[in-house]
Amino acid sequence: DVKVTQSSRYLVKRTGEKVFLECVQDMDHENMFWYRQDPGLGLRLIYFSYDVKMKEKGDIPEGYSVSREKKERFSLILESASTNQTSMYLCASSLSGSNTEAFFGQGTRLTVV
Amino acid sequence: GEDVEQSLFLSVREGDSSVINCTYTDSSSTYLYWYKQEPGAGLQLLTYIFSNMDMKQDQRLTVLLNKKDKHLSLRIADTQTGDSAIYFCAESGYSTLTFGKGTMLLVSP
Repeated sequence: DVKVTQSSRYLVKRTGEKVFLECVQDMDHENMFWYRQDPGLGLRLIYFSYDVKMKEKGDIPEGYSVSREKKERFSLILESASTNQTSMYLCASSLSGSNTEAFFGQGTRLTVV
Repeated sequence: GEDVEQSLFLSVREGDSSVINCTYTDSSSTYLYWYKQEPGAGLQLLTYIFSNMDMKQDQRLTVLLNKKDKHLSLRIADTQTGDSAIYFCAESGYSTLTFGKGTMLLVSP
């Protein structure tokens, strides 16, 4: 089975802190994604990566950056956390190709106080 | 740009059929997907349909695709309380998926 693992289920951070969310997948997928999920807004794509050291902005990249130094790991970085970044963060991975079935991690619920 | 729309809420009784509807805008989408999210969990793929098909059946699930109207539906037969969840429709794009906002399905005994 494909496994996408996010390092934390719950995080509480203070405003202004630098926050790292880690995601690891074990199926050698080329593509990896970070989404945030908010009530009434669904899933919104923050960043995605289609190869090591490659990244593309999604729909809402402001206030975030990402790092993909190894194929299996994709990190989301909040340079200076703000309260409006309180959300559920979901990582996903997929193979390249036209059938872009994505496999999701269990999510990290981040609260910024 | 790509957009996927779905109704936000559906309530049914146990044993009834549920139909969740979705419209999308990208006519070049090759695959369309239905994902399920249970409380506190990530999304899990339920089923998908290739764009040259108009129907796909998988046990209690039936997916109907009307490509002309860009309309996708998911029918769950004999709905159970364990089917209560949020259901997301998604269309494939260039290396990414575009998701709808999700339909919360509530199944009452």
